Amino acid sequence: QKEVEQNSGPLSVPEGAIASLNCTYSDRGSQSFFWYRQYSGKSPELIMFIYSNGDKEDGRFTAQLNKASQYVSLLIRDSQPSDSATYLCAVFQAAGNKLTFGGGTRVLVKP
Amino acid sequence: EADIYQTPRYLVIGTGKKITLECSQTMGHDKMYWYQQDPGMELHLIHYSYGVNSTEKGDLSSESTVSRIRTEHFPLTLESARPSHTSQYLCASSEWSGLTDTQYFGPGTRLTVL
Repeated sequence: QKEVEQNSGPLSVPEGAIASLNCTYSDRGSQSFFWYRQYSGKSPELIMFIYSNGDKEDGRFTAQLNKASQYVSLLIRDSQPSDSATYLCAVFQAAGNKLTFGGGTRVLVKP
Repeated sequence: EADIYQTPRYLVIGTGKKITLECSQTMGHDKMYWYQQDPGMELHLIHYSYGVNSTEKGDLSSESTVSRIRTEHFPLTLESARPSHTSQYLCASSEWSGLTDTQYFGPGTRLTVL
């Protein structure tokens, strides 16, 4: 079992709709959780991070964390074609001082 | 947010050449990382450093080596490049905020070995 799992996609979303991305992790000791966006051929850029159970909103993005169920999700509201990218989930474990990335979910927003 | 620079951005080189990929950051971050990523594939950690004179191998075995003589500089060297080294190389640095460790990436170096 991978430490951080994501559906590779592609997740096809109509323009203006909500894109919902999920990520599960195996280590219950994980403390903080990150979402990065990576355009094709570019480097990952940080969208947001979350470390408390519940929701955290930043513009059109909302991260949701459920530590009991060991999953973190990212919602993209009012999806735009410019949101078409691969979204990487990353999980930080303080015990091992380690950030582990998932394989990423490719999102396609169609006009 | 960190300012991280990588040079060169693109490199095409022949087999057997020695190459050094440069990475510098201006934020004084103690931790730095090198990742390797093929197109459409996962990120693989190949080296990391917790500070000056600290270097560790990552999860993916790599024939490259790194050094950390200055906080801001973390170069990666391939003594003898091979076509199998063709990939994108991403440098990152991170800061500890007391709650978490946030990594920021440089623009990457796309290496092609002929």
